[in-house]
Amino acid sequence: GENVEQHPSTLSVQEGDSAVIKCTYSDSASNYFPWYKQELGKGPQLIIDIRSNVGEKKDQRIAVTLNKTAKHFSLHITETQPEDSAVYFCAASPNQAGTALIFGKGTTLSVSS
Amino acid sequence: NAGVTQTPKFQVLKTGQSMTLQCAQDMNHNSMYWYRQDPGMGLRLIYYSASEGTTDKGEVPNGYNVSRLNKREFSLRLESAAPSQTSVYFCASSEIGQGQEAFFGQGTRLTVV
Repeated sequence: GENVEQHPSTLSVQEGDSAVIKCTYSDSASNYFPWYKQELGKGPQLIIDIRSNVGEKKDQRIAVTLNKTAKHFSLHITETQPEDSAVYFCAASPNQAGTALIFGKGTTLSVSS
Repeated sequence: NAGVTQTPKFQVLKTGQSMTLQCAQDMNHNSMYWYRQDPGMGLRLIYYSASEGTTDKGEVPNGYNVSRLNKREFSLRLESAAPSQTSVYFCASSEIGQGQEAFFGQGTRLTVV
């Protein structure tokens, strides 16, 4: 089955700096790669996703890149703000009936002002 | 628009007791999932249901049973709770073919003493 590795487990940056979180996956059949943000006491919420036919996707300060050959994808947050502080999860899935998202272990991002 | 609703939000059980975690979604999604979240372990898939009438084991199914009661509801049962099942449990739903974005509930924090 799918295995998703996520690094780093913790990341501390100064406000305004960039943050990068990296994930690798094992199943070459996976073609859907979402990123979730989880704030304290809440359930994870989707912030951006990418599919295997796309190499990069941006949404304001957030971008995701995908390298299918190397089986890795990354989340980039620019101009970080204190409200970006949260736990971030990457996930992977073949996006077919009968499959489910498999998550990485999460990255705790702390943005200090 | 409630999304995914989990009950209860908090529960304390004694070792050996049983209980059922309830989950309901109002987005007409076919697929539903149960994950557990433990410190440093990320979100691990317990069971999922790709459609009404089907259920499949995930990464950590031992000690749990599930029931897909109808399209809206997916319950998780602990027959004989153990301290190792102390965790935060999340239910999620998604629709294959619509990107498989998973929508999560607010979680159930379960403590087994």
